[in-house]
Amino acid sequence: DVKVTQSSRYLVKRTGEKVFLECVQDMDHENMFWYRQDPGLGLRLIYFSYDVKMKEKGDIPEGYSVSREKKERFSLILESASTNQTSMYLCASRPRVNTGELFFGEGSRLTVL
Amino acid sequence: AQKITQTQPGMFVQEKEAVTLDCTYDTSDPSYGLFWYKQPSSGEMIFLIYQGSYDQQNATEGRYSLNFQKARKSANLVISASQLGDSAMYFCAMREPRTVNYGQNFVFGPGTRLSVLP
Repeated sequence: DVKVTQSSRYLVKRTGEKVFLECVQDMDHENMFWYRQDPGLGLRLIYFSYDVKMKEKGDIPEGYSVSREKKERFSLILESASTNQTSMYLCASRPRVNTGELFFGEGSRLTVL
Repeated sequence: AQKITQTQPGMFVQEKEAVTLDCTYDTSDPSYGLFWYKQPSSGEMIFLIYQGSYDQQNATEGRYSLNFQKARKSANLVISASQLGDSAMYFCAMREPRTVNYGQNFVFGPGTRLSVLP
């Protein structure tokens, strides 16, 4: 089974802190994604990566950056957390040439105080 | 403009009855895929069912079926014989090709919260 693991299920941070959200997948997928989920808005794409060291902005990249140094790991970075970044963050992966679904991690619920 | 519309923020259904969750989509690309995911209160996203734009028949997976009406751009999820464990958020999503970097864009609707009543 494909496994996508997010490092933290729950985080509480203070405004201005640097936050790292880590995601690891074990199925050699080329594509990895970071989504943000807010009530009534569904999932919105922050960034995705289509290969090591390659990334592309999604719909809401402001305030976020990403890192993909190894194929299996995709990190989301909040350089200076703000209260409006309190949200559920979902990582997903899938093979590049595939018509199938996204495989999701369990989510990381971030609260910024 | 919204690419995926789910007009029902919340739905109630009696246990053992069938329920339909609505989804309409908007794309100009002829090649796309439609997905439904379930998200229980624990937070994980569970893939339920997939329909490709060129598929001739409606997709079915156990108690889940997708009522695909291409001309109307709708992809409603039908859950038969509802169970208490079906209580969750349900998201409709569409995969359409991106123009760069071999990527594919997944767009999600706002979700429908289904509550199954005993």
